[in-house]
Amino acid sequence: DIVMTQSPDSLAVSLGERATINCKSSQTILNSSNNKNYLAWYQQKPGQPPKLLIYWASTRESGVPDRLSGSGSGTDFTLTISSLQAEDVAVYYCQQYFGSPITFGGGTRVDIK
Amino acid sequence: EVQLVESGGGLVQPGGSQRLSCAASGFSFRNSWMYWIRQAPGKGLVWVSSIDYDGSVTTYADSVKGRFTISRDNAKNTLYLQINSLRAEDTAIYFCGRVAGGGVINLWGQGTLVTVSS
Repeated sequence: DIVMTQSPDSLAVSLGERATINCKSSQTILNSSNNKNYLAWYQQKPGQPPKLLIYWASTRESGVPDRLSGSGSGTDFTLTISSLQAEDVAVYYCQQYFGSPITFGGGTRVDIK
Repeated sequence: EVQLVESGGGLVQPGGSQRLSCAASGFSFRNSWMYWIRQAPGKGLVWVSSIDYDGSVTTYADSVKGRFTISRDNAKNTLYLQINSLRAEDTAIYFCGRVAGGGVINLWGQGTLVTVSS
């Protein structure tokens, strides 16, 4: 199975500041035939199911604010919240869908400093 | 409204069984692959099982293989997970999810909690 490792486990950022979450896969999740990275990001708020934010590593799901962005390729990926808002407090998960089974990172908790 | 609604969770004794359901509405269920994903209390997300459009292809995590069975009834727009020989480590919220784009989950249910305890 492809292992997804997120860092840090948690971070606290001041309102309006940048938050950066890292995700590393144990093997490449870039499909060289279509040049797509099979990486998604989800946001989970307390008591709620996860919500899809980004897929193909950098494509924002409809309705997701543009202050959230994804980047990276191969084995190293980043989710960036450019200007943290109160409603961004949540746990964020990366997920690979290149290999079977799909696997998730351990999650990163984002709080307000 | 496009939604998934799970039911069937509850308190089960070790070794017991439960059937979870996931009712789909607002989209073409018969054209969607579906997943079951679980989340132990305070822990992360773990894929449990997958099923293709008509139920002819099913896959399972090693930890549940032989104990869990995924199925679907496209006439009823409903996904199922039969969970048998339950263990304490199966305690979790079980989410159903609609699969898109090769493995992305673009619609989640609210989850149903299964607690395995004597």
